Amino acid sequence: DTGVSQNPRHKITKRGQNVTFRCDPISEHNRLYWYRQTLGQGPEFLTYFQNEAQLEKSRLLSDRFSAERPKGSFSTLEIQRTEQGDSAMYLCASSGRWDRPSYEQYFGPGTRLTVT
Amino acid sequence: LAKTTQPISMDSYEGQEVNITCSHNNIATNDYITWYQQFPSQGPRFIIQGYKTKVTNEVASLFIPADRKSSTLSLPRVSLSDTAVYYCLVALPNNNDMRFGAGTRLTVKP
Repeated sequence: DTGVSQNPRHKITKRGQNVTFRCDPISEHNRLYWYRQTLGQGPEFLTYFQNEAQLEKSRLLSDRFSAERPKGSFSTLEIQRTEQGDSAMYLCASSGRWDRPSYEQYFGPGTRLTVT
Repeated sequence: LAKTTQPISMDSYEGQEVNITCSHNNIATNDYITWYQQFPSQGPRFIIQGYKTKVTNEVASLFIPADRKSSTLSLPRVSLSDTAVYYCLVALPNNNDMRFGAGTRLTVKP
């Protein structure tokens, strides 16, 4: 496994700008998850895909947040009109190899967003 | 989803066994208990999962009493590199909505 990769690793943006993050899951995984983590807290679940279908999105923080996984491979998370409160680490995880249970999620290194 | 409660922090010394207890009084019949480890500036890493009694792998052991209202993660002979945050989660085995609490910050001292 090459692991889950996320790009960029760091993003600094001005309030009001749009940002997009990319996640490349482990290739044989069919499930992909997005989380947000703020300092001193555990990851907070945002949304989940099985293949290209977004099966859970009610936990996205607001309508400024959206995610896609167009071909069931990589995924993008977009935040529109960023606010300072969006500053956090955004984590991606994948799971679903045929011989491993789905609760065993593999996390990427995260993208740290700073909104100034 | 059952709520979990863990100590905020723990200190230990190299070579000692560390036990981190998590309480989950409202655990449902079909829920499993899962533990993750997170180092600074990294995503969490799966450690172990269990349903009842005892589970052991190459990294840790998980002890779950008969009432399943708590669980204990046991790390044998910790080293400095075990300094991390440890999260206890309770969910269905295929529950994709994993809810992390604040975790337990373990500091291993020389």
